[in-house]
Formats: sequence, structure tokens, C-alpha cells
Amino acid sequence: QKEVEQDPGPLSVPEGAIVSLNCTYSNSAFQYFMWYRQYSRKGPELLMYTYSSGNKEDGRFTAQVDKSSKYISLFIRDSQPSDSATYLCAMSAGLRSGGSNYKLTFGKGTLLTVNP
Amino acid sequence: EAEVAQSPRYKITEKSQAVAFWCDPISGHATLYWYRQILGQGPELLVQFQDESVVDDSQLPKDRFSAERLKGVDSTLKIQPAELGDSAMYLCASSLDRGFTEAFFGQGTRLTVV
Repeated sequence: QKEVEQDPGPLSVPEGAIVSLNCTYSNSAFQYFMWYRQYSRKGPELLMYTYSSGNKEDGRFTAQVDKSSKYISLFIRDSQPSDSATYLCAMSAGLRSGGSNYKLTFGKGTLLTVNP
Repeated sequence: EAEVAQSPRYKITEKSQAVAFWCDPISGHATLYWYRQILGQGPELLVQFQDESVVDDSQLPKDRFSAERLKGVDSTLKIQPAELGDSAMYLCASSLDRGFTEAFFGQGTRLTVV
């Protein structure tokens, strides 16, 4: 079982729809939870990160973490064609070698298309 | 705006040849990462540096891959010899410090091995 599972989609929605993207994880050591957006042929860019269980909102984006269920979600309200991209969940835990370095583990990514 | 620079953007090489990628992180960023992203997959960590030291290279195929960050600034990732299965996007990222801080990614180098 992979440490981070994400449905690769693809997901196609009409403009204005609410989009829900999800990931599950198995490693209880994960402490930080992130969502990256990756446009075609570009590097990923960080959208949001959270540390604790609960919701975090930033404009049209809401990140949700449920540590008890090992489940995270990203909601996009009023989706726009410019939101069309691959969305990657990522999780961070301290390295096994110790110290204070963190390792970032990504899901496979979900390809989202928002149709005008 | 500061960004992570990578070169080349695209590289086509024949199998069994050597290939190298270069990364210049954001100035002042102590942590540097090399990731490999196969088409349709998420990035997978190859190697992580803290300054000039390797802190994680557990997923680096050391028989053919090597990475260095000699002065704790820019970094080079080398593959020798390249294999068909190495075709992927190679992403470099950097973050400010060893603790969790945002990782900024470069545009990546798309490698095709023929």
C-alpha cells in the first residue's frame, strides 16, 4: 500500500461547479498536509498547507484535514477554466534519519478540467 | 520574483549515454530536493540536501544516479548510463530551512531517452 493514495481522475466539471479532491494516507507520522497545483509542463506550486485537523480557507479554496480518518480534501468553489490543472496532495513527516529535516511525499495527482 | 532555475528544459539522449541536469535554488535556501515525475504520476523524491550534505537518498538508484551540491548552493544530478525507463520530468525544489517550510519548484527538465 502506498503511503499516499489519490484518485488520478480525470475529473471534468462545468464552470462554476464545486470541485472536491481527496487523498488518503497510511503514515501516522505525517504532520503537514499540502495541496499543490501543477499546470501542464510546469513545476508544482503550493496552494495551501495545514498542520492540524479541521478546515482552512483561502479565497475559493478550502483545505480539510481529518487525522482520525487519515483523509484530506481540497474544495474549489465557483471553479474557473483557469483552475484546469493537475492537483497534487502532499504530506510531510520528519526524516527517519532524525534531525529536523522533513520529507515531502506526493500523491499521484488528479487532472481537473473546468469547461467554460 | 525569486525562482528555482533549472537547465536544460528539455533533453533527448540515447540510452547508455550520460546526462546531467543543473539546478540553482532560490538564494538563501538551505534545503534542496531532486524529484522525478513520471507522466501521470506524482513527484518522487530522489535526493534531499541540507546545505551541502545529503540527508535522504534512499530512493536514488545509486548504481547510475549521482547528485552533488558542492558549495551548498547549486546542484547537479547525473545519470550514467541512461536507460529508457529514465524518461521523466526531473524537478528541483528548494526551501528556506530544514524544518517544514514551503518548497518552491523549478520548471523541471523533461528527459527523453531513446
